[in-house]
Amino acid sequence: DQQVKQNSPSLSVQEGRISILNCDYTNSMFDYFLWYKKYPAEGPTFLISISSIKDKNEDGRFTVFLNKSAKHLSLHIVPSQPGDSAVYFCAATDSWGKLQFGAGTQVVVTP
Amino acid sequence: EADIYQTPRYLVIGTGKKITLECSQTMGHDKMYWYQQDPGMELHLIHYSYGVNSTEKGDLSSESTVSRIRTEHFPLTLESARPSHTSQYLCATTSGVTYEQYFGPGTRLTVT
Repeated sequence: DQQVKQNSPSLSVQEGRISILNCDYTNSMFDYFLWYKKYPAEGPTFLISISSIKDKNEDGRFTVFLNKSAKHLSLHIVPSQPGDSAVYFCAATDSWGKLQFGAGTQVVVTP
Repeated sequence: EADIYQTPRYLVIGTGKKITLECSQTMGHDKMYWYQQDPGMELHLIHYSYGVNSTEKGDLSSESTVSRIRTEHFPLTLESARPSHTSQYLCATTSGVTYEQYFGPGTRLTVT
């Protein structure tokens, strides 16, 4: 039973525009959420995280929004750059610290 | 960020061979993890360890085994490789102070 879902397998965005990636979860015990970026044949790289006590966290071009009542989070990348082309994974955990991952969204940034 | 290493990066091997995938970290972290990931799919936790001589199976059943004799090493072994084991294997570690896990570069295993 997949507890973290990324329903958009791919996203194409123009360079300079905003990329919005979405993630839904089902387990109400999740209280910490993370986004990872992955290039082919490499390990995931941690991008940004958010605790359930917050609804927004920002780090440079990356902002994560959390809507606990809807069990939904999103990652905004603005402006999008060619180097942002990668697969983005959403992950969630409860206090035990084991991460549950979504299936990823492939982002392609076009010139 | 942790320094975490995996070898080999790529491995093509025949059915029935025994293989060991190496994972090591230099940060002295107690918590280490092994994930399996197929293209277009989520990462699945197959093993984890919270310290020396501590290993547990993850959420995804796996025929692999692990050991944790030293803090810095967390090798994964397949006694008899099969084509169904073809996948990317990712090792991760965390300090435990935060929830962020830091990943190695992965091993792409192909069993023919």
